[in-house]
Amino acid sequence: DGGITQSPKYLFRKEGQNVTLSCEQNLNHDAMYWYRQDPGQGLRLIYYSQIVNDFQKGDIAEGYSVSREKKESFPLTVTSAQKNPTAFYLCASRDYGHEQYFGPGTRLTVT
Amino acid sequence: GQQLNQSPQSMFIQEGEDVSMNCTSSSIFNTWLWYKQEPGEGPVLLIALYKAGELTSNGRLTAQFGITRKDSFLNISASIPSDVGIYFCAGLSGGSNYKLTFGKGTLLTVNP
Repeated sequence: DGGITQSPKYLFRKEGQNVTLSCEQNLNHDAMYWYRQDPGQGLRLIYYSQIVNDFQKGDIAEGYSVSREKKESFPLTVTSAQKNPTAFYLCASRDYGHEQYFGPGTRLTVT
Repeated sequence: GQQLNQSPQSMFIQEGEDVSMNCTSSSIFNTWLWYKQEPGEGPVLLIALYKAGELTSNGRLTAQFGITRKDSFLNISASIPSDVGIYFCAGLSGGSNYKLTFGKGTLLTVNP
């Protein structure tokens, strides 16, 4: 059963703590993406990776970090430097075409 | 950067009615994608458009790639309660390094 999984679905953290969100895909896609979604807003690109061991900053990379050590995995770390970390985080992957496919999302709440 | 203007922001309709929404931009796009997102879930791809003037259907959904390549339209016919959700357009331009630009979404509510 191919797809993209994100875990956990809900995540709660205290301010000042780093937190890592998981994204795994078994679609054999080369490219993977992380987006942030806030209420009433479109999706904003945080980081993306076109291939293993390579990634680029998106439009709102400050306060976030990623790694791409395996094709299947693209974890996102929300650091304490991110001023407004509470949001819905979406991971996506892309095959050879232009279509991106999304995971179910992780809702992060930082208090 | 590039922007997509999606309208309307929200729609409240009766079951059985047809729905139209659109995305416009001052920039040219080579690909248009339409997604649906239900509360608390990730967006699901509905329709992909690759050529100017292209008209593509997926069940009761029909989308068109505008001839100017600066706009796209999504129509839903005979709406049903499960059509409720947020519909997003996304465009891909040449030289964008495969980065999509997203509209802010149209929230659709269907009254049974």
